[in-house]
Amino acid sequence: GQQVMQIPQYQHVQEGEDFTTYCNSSTTLSNIQWYKQRPGGHPVFLIQLVKSGEVKKQKRLTFQFGEAKKNSSLHITATQTTDVGTYFCGRTDSWGKLQFGAGTQVVVTP
Amino acid sequence: GAGVSQSPRYKVAKRGQDVALRCDPISGHVSLFWYQQALGQGPEFLTYFQNEAQLDKSGLPSDRFFAERPEGSVSTLKIQRTQQEDSAVYLCASSLPGSYTGELFFGEGSRLTVL
Repeated sequence: GQQVMQIPQYQHVQEGEDFTTYCNSSTTLSNIQWYKQRPGGHPVFLIQLVKSGEVKKQKRLTFQFGEAKKNSSLHITATQTTDVGTYFCGRTDSWGKLQFGAGTQVVVTP
Repeated sequence: GAGVSQSPRYKVAKRGQDVALRCDPISGHVSLFWYQQALGQGPEFLTYFQNEAQLDKSGLPSDRFFAERPEGSVSTLKIQRTQQEDSAVYLCASSLPGSYTGELFFGEGSRLTVL
């Protein structure tokens, strides 16, 4: 299947800093979903984007879907220790089957 | 129940043993998915059910892996003659097709260690 590529694989952030993680595809995506997985936990849904150029915000998290619907980004402002975890993007097919990227592991130092 | 429930949470098996992992999805959720997550990796799709019908099993790594959902609710993932490379967390997820958000609800997972 068509994979989505995530960069970076690993992000070390100082508390209070901003960072961005990216999700890229070689083909047009019908939608993109983002999940967060805390260490030792399970993936938890954050958001789904479906429209070209869509931007959605959840408090300190800003999600964007590219105009060509081939890439997406997650930007976190003023990082907190609670933001620690791995952030996955993924694409779904018509049945809702989700194909995950490899994830960006985020470590936050106080 | 309130969420997706999986059991056992932890399973240690000797190589060659058979194991069975259970998933109890959210009540009313038609779609059920199994994923395999190796340490430090993203979840990899194994198989998908819509009610009792297994519509996609393209991700099952070998014929030692078998999944069923006979009554369209609880599902069981069975692994026969376990190998060390089967060691992973097995995640179950359920969803309502056509839901506005498309969200998959994941269980806590079953961590399988094969010695």
